[in-house]
Amino acid sequence: EVQLVESGGGLVQPGGSLRLSCAASGFTFSSYAMSWVRQAPGKGLEWVSSVSGTGGSTYYADSVKGRFTISRDNSKNTLYLQMNSLRVEDTAVYYCAKGIASFGPFDYWGQGTLVTVSS
Amino acid sequence: DIQMTQSPSSVSASVGDRVTITCRASQGVSSWLAWYEQKPGKAPKLLIYAASSLQSGVPSRFSGSGSGTDFTLTISSLQPEDFATYYCQQANIFPLTFGPGTKVDIK
Repeated sequence: EVQLVESGGGLVQPGGSLRLSCAASGFTFSSYAMSWVRQAPGKGLEWVSSVSGTGGSTYYADSVKGRFTISRDNSKNTLYLQMNSLRVEDTAVYYCAKGIASFGPFDYWGQGTLVTVSS
Repeated sequence: DIQMTQSPSSVSASVGDRVTITCRASQGVSSWLAWYEQKPGKAPKLLIYAASSLQSGVPSRFSGSGSGTDFTLTISSLQPEDFATYYCQQANIFPLTFGPGTKVDIK
């Protein structure tokens, strides 16, 4: 059974940093691209970032480019999102998601982890 | 960036009704179009990928069609568990983009 479990969310002040993790199981992690998608309270879905199976290719939304870094450790079956220079507008539930083929769409999602940026 | 629009933004329907949601891309995405269902407090669930392929385990009352810029999600006979918000997503080119969502609620 495929499982994706996010962790690392919490309350952080504007300008602060946070690292999210997503532990994957039930599939050959290194064979699939992985992504982060976020959802601000009461809003729709926003793609944040994607990484290829090897980790060699990464993509970012303009809203986070230069501030967030996606990475993966295939030996640990874990996906990461390092978030720096956080802004109030980064407040959202962050989901990790597995690509069904290539980078998308996403056939499995984690339960999400809430990131709140507030002073 | 490819902009995705959905219509209607919300629809009130009854159990047994046929519901159709449309999604339009600002430029062609071939068949790289997916549909998701999301219920409050839950992660999205993939329903349809490649515009018309039913994801494993999804009931056959859900169907998708279209290619290029215009796509449709149809629920042939609405069930109580189908009241949710539905999103389309293009997966053809980065940045991957979602539509704003269509909320299906009880009439």
